[in-house]
Formats: sequence, C-alpha cells, structure tokens
Amino acid sequence: QKEVEQNSGPLSVPEGAIASLNCTYSDRGSQSFFWYRQYSGKSPELIMFIYSNGDKEDGRFTAQLNKASQYVSLLIRDSQPSDSATYLCASHSNSGYALNFGKGTSLLVTP
Amino acid sequence: EPEVTQTPSHQVTQMGQEVILRCVPISNHLYFYWYRQILGQKVEFLVSFYNNEISEKSEIFDDQFSVERPDGSNFTLKIRSTKLEDSAMYFCASTAGPMETQYFGPGTRLLVL
Repeated sequence: QKEVEQNSGPLSVPEGAIASLNCTYSDRGSQSFFWYRQYSGKSPELIMFIYSNGDKEDGRFTAQLNKASQYVSLLIRDSQPSDSATYLCASHSNSGYALNFGKGTSLLVTP
Repeated sequence: EPEVTQTPSHQVTQMGQEVILRCVPISNHLYFYWYRQILGQKVEFLVSFYNNEISEKSEIFDDQFSVERPDGSNFTLKIRSTKLEDSAMYFCASTAGPMETQYFGPGTRLLVL
C-alpha cells in the first residue's frame, strides 16, 4: 500500500511566525508532489507542486523535497490567521493519474 | 479563471437509490477524475477517465460505480444502489494532460439515509 503520511496536528503558530508542515511517502517511485489547502467543508485548493529535489519558493510558501529521505515539507512564512486550514500533501501514483493524499495537517494561526 | 463546476452541491438520497453526480471540467482539459472524502477522513481517489475510457480506478470503484462523458462538457459519476457508507463529499478534478496539477471542483455532499 503506497502511503503518504502527515502529522494530523493541530499545529498552532502565532501570527507572523513560520509554519512548518511535513509529509513522508512510502513509494520511492513517486515523482511529483503537491500541497493543497482545504478549508472546512470546501474542496482542496492547490498551493504548490514540486518535482525536483531542493526548494521551490512561491511568495510566502516554500516547498522542500528530499527524495532520498522520501520527505516533503511546506513552509509558510509570515503566517496569517487566514492560513488556518488543513494542509494536504499528495503524490502521483506511478500511472500518473491518481493522487494519493495524506490525511492532512490542521494548522491554526493565532492572532 | 476557468474552474471545474459540480452539481448539485448537496444531495440527500435513500439507501438503495441511484444517484448521478455531475461535473463540468475545465474546457480544454482531457483527463477527468473523481475523488471522495468521508467526513474526517482523507481524500481518496476513485477513478480517472480519458478518451472515453477509464484509465485507472481504485478498489473503492466497484460495480456500483460508473462514469460517463455523455456530451462534450459533462462528466458524471453514477452510484447505482447507494449505501450508507457512500455518504461523503465527492470531488471532480480535471487536467489537460497526465501527471499535471489537478484542479478540484467545489464538491457534492452526498448524504445517504
């Protein structure tokens, strides 16, 4: 069973701080990874994707991928209360069609 | 910005009834997907569809489920005889090609009584 694992949280950070969200995956053949944000009762909304080892930055968000350790992370700088949501890590199946999701990490940014 | 749309937003049905959930993918996309999320659980892949064929399906997608692209714009998920455990949010997604970022619709909340 190819799994994507995340700590369910909740992760609580004060406004303005850096939030660090982590994800591990079991399928060494996975090539592409995605971070989605999901507000309660809503659909997943893409934050970032990453394919290559290293860091990828987009505004306040940085995704990090380490294929040797099978580890993906998302850093959110200058966290805002509006960032409070569940963050889903996902990887493509080997076929390239299905996304395998983790259970998500709940983030709470306190004013 | 183009987006995936889904109807209805909510559906309540009796156990054993058939339901059809509808999706309109982004217009130039060719790959379509259905996922479900049971309350409090993770998003689970059901099926992917390309060129009028299922390209991949999960163990959840059994004979009670079917998908169809009845015309040039709609993509449907049919559950033939609903069970209580089919109660979930159902999300449609689409991509222009395989291995691309999947954009999700707003979902249909299905409640089976």
